Amino acid sequence: SQTIHQWPATLVQPVGSPLSLECTVEGTSNPNLYWYRQAAGRGLQLLFYSVGIGQISSEVPQNLSASRPQDRQFILSSKKLLLSDSGFYLCAWSQGPYNEQFFGPGTRLTVL
Amino acid sequence: QKEVEQNSGPLSVPEGAIASLNCTYSDRGSQSFFWYRQYSGKSPELIMSIYSNGDKEDGRFTAQLNKASQYVSLLIRDSQPSDSATYLCATYSGGYQKVTFGIGTKLQVIP
Repeated sequence: SQTIHQWPATLVQPVGSPLSLECTVEGTSNPNLYWYRQAAGRGLQLLFYSVGIGQISSEVPQNLSASRPQDRQFILSSKKLLLSDSGFYLCAWSQGPYNEQFFGPGTRLTVL
Repeated sequence: QKEVEQNSGPLSVPEGAIASLNCTYSDRGSQSFFWYRQYSGKSPELIMSIYSNGDKEDGRFTAQLNKASQYVSLLIRDSQPSDSATYLCATYSGGYQKVTFGIGTKLQVIP
């Protein structure tokens, strides 16, 4: 069966500090991978998605970036965090287009 | 902009009743539709997928799709307090790789 991991589970960072969140998927190959952010009381905002190694599509131009160095690894980064970057960051995977997405446990980020 | 709309609620139903959650979408080209359940502080969990017009049943859950009316619904029979959560409607729209989510409907099942 497939499993998706995210770490860390929680993170408190000062404004202006860097960020690196990691997501890995087990039990599947060549998945589509997604990063979402959910601000408090808000809906899910798609940040990035990837259909293969090194292929990243950005949905929201901002101070975040994503990379996919391996088939089942997806990384979300920032060089300098803003207060507005606080939120619940969710990684998800799907097996090809039009299929269900499955979410990881999420990382709750607080920027102070 | 492709949209998925839901009433944010809260929708309150007594224990044992049927909860009816509704969703409309703007992209007529949408192909796949999903319902997720999200408990407070947790990540969304897929509970139903529906791809063609009509009803799809899975245990106490029934998803209904009407593409002509651009309408998706989720019925929860014999609602339990453990069903209290936010229910997210989602569909692929604006491209076959991207899912658009509604804001979610908060359901409260009263014992």
